[in-house]
Amino acid sequence: GEDVEQSLFLSVREGDSSVINCTYTDSSSTYLYWYKQEPGAGLQLLTYIFSNMDMKQDQRLTVLLNKKDKHLSLRIADTQTGDSAIYFCAENTGFQKLVFGTGTRLLVSP
Amino acid sequence: DAGVIQSPRHEVTEMGQEVTLRCKPISGHNSLFWYRQTMMRGLELLIYFNNNVPIDDSGMPEDRFSAKMPNASFSTLKIQPSEPRDSAVYFCASIGNTDTQYFGPGTRLTVL
Repeated sequence: GEDVEQSLFLSVREGDSSVINCTYTDSSSTYLYWYKQEPGAGLQLLTYIFSNMDMKQDQRLTVLLNKKDKHLSLRIADTQTGDSAIYFCAENTGFQKLVFGTGTRLLVSP
Repeated sequence: DAGVIQSPRHEVTEMGQEVTLRCKPISGHNSLFWYRQTMMRGLELLIYFNNNVPIDDSGMPEDRFSAKMPNASFSTLKIQPSEPRDSAVYFCASIGNTDTQYFGPGTRLTVL
């Protein structure tokens, strides 16, 4: 089946780095995404990576892709309290259709 | 651009009533998606349209759910009759030339 797996919860202190992990299923996925959901809001696209890339950096965000293991990670440097949210990874399974992970709730404490 | 617009933002209704959720995609986007989010089941794709035509409705839970897209700038998701287990947040998302989906703020539905 199409199960994109994530750990449910991550707690870090402000200023530390956060690493959120994801295991996807479809090796033919062309794009992999990270979305952020704040309370009471919709999903906001954070970043995405093409499947032919190993790494993508965008300011405090670093995405690592290991295609062999179908493993995707999102690193947030210098995590702030405003980064507290639920983070979803998603894979493109064809024709613009995305399969989302279960979401990881990130809690950043001062 | 105003982004994806959904209405209403909150809906409270009684079991058995008809509920209609509305979505206006981003102008120029040619695909539209309806999702449902619950604590138990996470984010589920219900149906999606391309150029106003339904492409995949395999996620629609049962016949009580229906969706339409009469034109490129408007879509509805209807539940008739509604049941308490339909309580969830319903999201609409649209996509243009890239493969990036942009989400609306969601409609929180409570069926009593």
